[in-house]
Amino acid sequence: AQKVTQAQTEISVVEKEDVTLDCVYETRDTTYYLFWYKQPPSGELVFLIRRNSFDEQNEISGRYSWNFQKSTSSFNFTITASQVVDSAVYFCALFFLTNSGYALNFGKGTSLLVTP
Amino acid sequence: DTEVTQTPKHLVMGMTNKKSLKCEQHMGHRAMYWYKQKAKKPPELMFVYSYEKLSINESVPSRFSPECPNSSLLNLHLHALQPEDSALYLCASSPGSGTSVNNEQFFGPGTRLTVL
Repeated sequence: AQKVTQAQTEISVVEKEDVTLDCVYETRDTTYYLFWYKQPPSGELVFLIRRNSFDEQNEISGRYSWNFQKSTSSFNFTITASQVVDSAVYFCALFFLTNSGYALNFGKGTSLLVTP
Repeated sequence: DTEVTQTPKHLVMGMTNKKSLKCEQHMGHRAMYWYKQKAKKPPELMFVYSYEKLSINESVPSRFSPECPNSSLLNLHLHALQPEDSALYLCASSPGSGTSVNNEQFFGPGTRLTVL
């Protein structure tokens, strides 16, 4: 099965707190890609990061950081010093090849609310 | 031009109407996608076009009919929809197809469809 689990449905933090969003995936493939997207209330999905299965190096981009651990099939996302503008739904997704082409399977999303 | 545009932004239609959603990108991407997103749910893949050919059809009812007139345009023709089809319809494009590593998907803002 090609599956993504985001166990946290909703998280609420106060501004400037750090917050980690969990993502656990299942796949039989050795080559796959993992993504994080942000969906603010306006509705548009904003691409945040892509990670391929051969690259376990963690990545930092400003206040965002990602921890990819193949041993635990996890690809967690941390926001440092959260801001109100970070309030959105965050989706983790698994991209993989099927017989017909490729597909992007999304987790159910984590709704993050950052309050002043 | 580095964006995916979708028109209209909002659409209200009756169950007997025929309407079309339009998606356009001028990034030279070779794959385009339609997703359906119900409230508080992740996007679900409907169709994938790769090099203007339909490569994935996720068992979508025939009242949804996709069309890819050229590599920059993607339409979704709607006919005899049901109220449960009300959702946000997202279009996306990606640079590569098949086994290409350029597979990050760029999403449009979506069309919010209401079926009465």
